[in-house]
Amino acid sequence: DAGVIQSPRHEVTEMGQEVTLRCKPISGHNSLFWYRQTMMRGLELLIYFNNNVPIDDSGMPEDRFSAKMPNASFSTLKIQPSEPRDSAVYFCASSLEQARETQYFGPGTRLLVL
Amino acid sequence: AQTVTQSQPEMSVQEAETVTLSCTYDTSESDYYLFWYKQPPSRQMILVIRQEAYKQQNATENRFSVNFQKAAKSFSLKISDSQLGDAAMYFCAYRSALSQGGSEKLVFGKGTKLTVNP
Repeated sequence: DAGVIQSPRHEVTEMGQEVTLRCKPISGHNSLFWYRQTMMRGLELLIYFNNNVPIDDSGMPEDRFSAKMPNASFSTLKIQPSEPRDSAVYFCASSLEQARETQYFGPGTRLLVL
Repeated sequence: AQTVTQSQPEMSVQEAETVTLSCTYDTSESDYYLFWYKQPPSRQMILVIRQEAYKQQNATENRFSVNFQKAAKSFSLKISDSQLGDAAMYFCAYRSALSQGGSEKLVFGKGTKLTVNP
């Protein structure tokens, strides 16, 4: 089975531009998570969905960040406008309804905002 | 709020030897899950091992085992017969059980960088 798929794998953009990160969870998984990894703050949850519904978005840093999950097989994380401090690795993870304690991670998107 | 502490920023081990990575956590919950994830230079997060807090038996996965001390809130990872491919960042993580009504999010420690010397 394919794992969690994220695109793009690398993104370089200029400050002020809109950035959209994409995630396809493992088929059949009901929960989807967006994490961000930085040197300063480590790995932290931004938002997670259960059955396509946002459950906990307390980690979303500010209004510039938004996330959607229009269906069970696709989610986006958008940053508009982007800032240099948004530079990080963004991970998407998913988990199965029956075993929601175990999350499987995608390869991550490395974002650099100049 | 739960916290996870990894007190060893870096560790090194000789190939074929055994190394133990430390992790402590703070929680008021009685039921939860603990994990060790490995992050090699590719940055992929790979699940190494998981432990349910209600289980007294320590989890084992091939060369990887944990020492789970619930009262002490300690969850260390032992890697036996270390291999060059074990070199990576290792993250300890905590997750509330659904029975606790808490968030499903993983709370991570800062990580331990493991170097394996040939």
